[in-house]
Order: sequence, then structure tokens, then C-alpha cells
Amino acid sequence: DQQVKQNSPSLSVQEGRISILNCDYTNSMFDYFLWYKKYPAEGPTFLISISSIKDKNEDGRFTVFLNKSAKHLSLHIVPSQPGDSAVYFCAAADPYSGGSNYKLTFGKGTLLTVNP
Amino acid sequence: NAGVTQTPKFRVLKTGQSMTLLCAQDMNHEYMYWYRQDPGMGLRLIHYSVGEGTTAKGEVPDGYNVSRLKKQNFLLGLESAAPSQTSVYFCAGRQGYGELFFGEGSRLTVL
Repeated sequence: DQQVKQNSPSLSVQEGRISILNCDYTNSMFDYFLWYKKYPAEGPTFLISISSIKDKNEDGRFTVFLNKSAKHLSLHIVPSQPGDSAVYFCAAADPYSGGSNYKLTFGKGTLLTVNP
Repeated sequence: NAGVTQTPKFRVLKTGQSMTLLCAQDMNHEYMYWYRQDPGMGLRLIHYSVGEGTTAKGEVPDGYNVSRLKKQNFLLGLESAAPSQTSVYFCAGRQGYGELFFGEGSRLTVL
């Protein structure tokens, strides 16, 4: 049972426009959400996170929105740049999976291509 | 400051052979994780450790063993490699309730 879903395997946008990457989850116990970015032949790198007590978190060009009632979060990149082309993973943490031993559950990823 | 370092970066095995992947970190991470990434499957947790001398199973632990004898090292072992274990393996560390820091990955091919 896939608890974190990224239903769009790929997304293509023009440079300068907004990129919106979506993520849905099913486990209502998730209380912390993260986005990771991954370039080919590299490990994933942390991008931005949001706690379930917030509905928005912003860091420069990147903003994550959380809608708990819909169990949905999205990552907005504005403006998009060619260097943003990468695979983006959504991840969720369940603190009750073992107290401080929480584990992250990852989505399958969305390949973002930003065209010049 | 090397962060999280994985060794080796590439390896080709024959079915039935054994090998060990080494993850070394110099960031004083208490928690360490081994993930595998397969096309269309995202990142799946194999095993993890919440401290020196402790390990636990993740989502896909079968066919793998791990050890964490020292805080800075987390080893992933394959006793009898199978073609289904062809994958890219990522080690990650975490300190506190924060993000994971990943290594660069180890690409394993089992023929």
C-alpha cells in the first residue's frame, strides 16, 4: 500500500514559469513532510520541509503548501530555472512508527524538466 | 568534512556471490539508513539503525544484513546476491528530527 503518492512521473515547464509538483498521502499520522531533489548519479539532497502545524513554508524560490484535510502537499518553484531539472521526491515522517525512530516514507518521484 | 561516504561506488557481482557496502559518516549522525532506488519505485528503506550496536528492518529487508559496530559506520551485506538486488543503494544519516543527508550512491549489478 503506497502511503505517499506522486502521481505525475514527469513535468515539463518553460524557464521563468512556475513549476508545481504534487504529492498525496494516506497516513493521517504523518506530521512532517520533506522534499528532496536528486540529480543523476548523485544522492538526494534536502530541499524544504514543513511541519503539520503549518500550511506553508517558503525558502527563496521554493514554497511548500500543506493541505491536511485533503492530505495533499505541493512544491512550487518560482521562477523555474534549467538547473532545477531533476527528480523531486516527496517524503513523509510518521513519529509513531517508533518514537524518535521515525522513518521517512518516500514517493516514487517526479522528473522535472525546465526548458530554456 | 566528507559528510556521508559510500564505498564502493560501482560493483558487478555474479549470482550467489557476497559483498558488503560500507557507509561512513563524519557528521555525528545518530540514525543511519540504507535505501535502494529502482526505476519507478522511488526510495525504499532496507534497514536502519538508531544508534551504535542497534539495527532494525525496514520495508524491504529480505536478502540483506546490516551491522553498526561503530557509530560512524553502517555496513550493508548481501550474503548471496540475486539479480533482483540489482539497484542503486543509498546510505543516509540523520541527527535529531531533521532531514536525511544522503551519500552519493552505490550502483550494484548482479548478473
